[in-house]
Amino acid sequence: EVQLVESGGGLVQPGGSLRLSCVASGVTFSTYDMDWVRQAPGKGLERVSYISYSGAAIYYADSVKGRFTISRDNAKNSVYLQMNSLRAEDTAVYYCASVGYYSTDDWGQGTLVTVSS
Amino acid sequence: SYELTQPPSVSVSPGQTASITCSGDKLENKYTSWYQQKPGQSPVLVIYQDIKRPSAIPGRFSGSNSGNTATLTISGAQTMDEADYYCQAWDSSTHYVFGGGTKVTVL
Repeated sequence: EVQLVESGGGLVQPGGSLRLSCVASGVTFSTYDMDWVRQAPGKGLERVSYISYSGAAIYYADSVKGRFTISRDNAKNSVYLQMNSLRAEDTAVYYCASVGYYSTDDWGQGTLVTVSS
Repeated sequence: SYELTQPPSVSVSPGQTASITCSGDKLENKYTSWYQQKPGQSPVLVIYQDIKRPSAIPGRFSGSNSGNTATLTISGAQTMDEADYYCQAWDSSTHYVFGGGTKVTVL
């Protein structure tokens, strides 16, 4: 089981930037594909971005393509989400999660991003 | 893009069986997973690969997938099972979509 801890959320003005971090422990992080999933207040789950264990494969939802960048540092057991040109509709709790075999196995506690002036 | 449809809400009496459906085109050809999310908490995987249950999940949770519909069944529902439930369908081993979620009330 992967333990995941996110950080980096907060209040940012529209058009601003934030960098989310997620540190993993308890497993060999370099063998795990990773996701960022968000949940707007009172809404459902939305996959934002994915990165394979090596970083060779990356996916972005259409809603964030061109504005968000996912990366990882296996030496630091960490995955990151750089978020630029933030909009009000990006306001959400952002979860990092480990990707298993046709499942999203373990989730962090989430970090809240609020985009507001 | 592929879409999954869940009923917004399901109600069940304690000890009875709750069935939560998830509909999508030819869904039986995709692996489905289910997640439980209680208020203020992170989602928890309860069913994966249509029918498999993580070791920490009680046996009253089960899944099926046939035709265009996947179903999460809670047999003998308990008040602790009140939560939002989300289905997830995998196009490949790396791409998936979530359903809109179903609020389960046990009363």
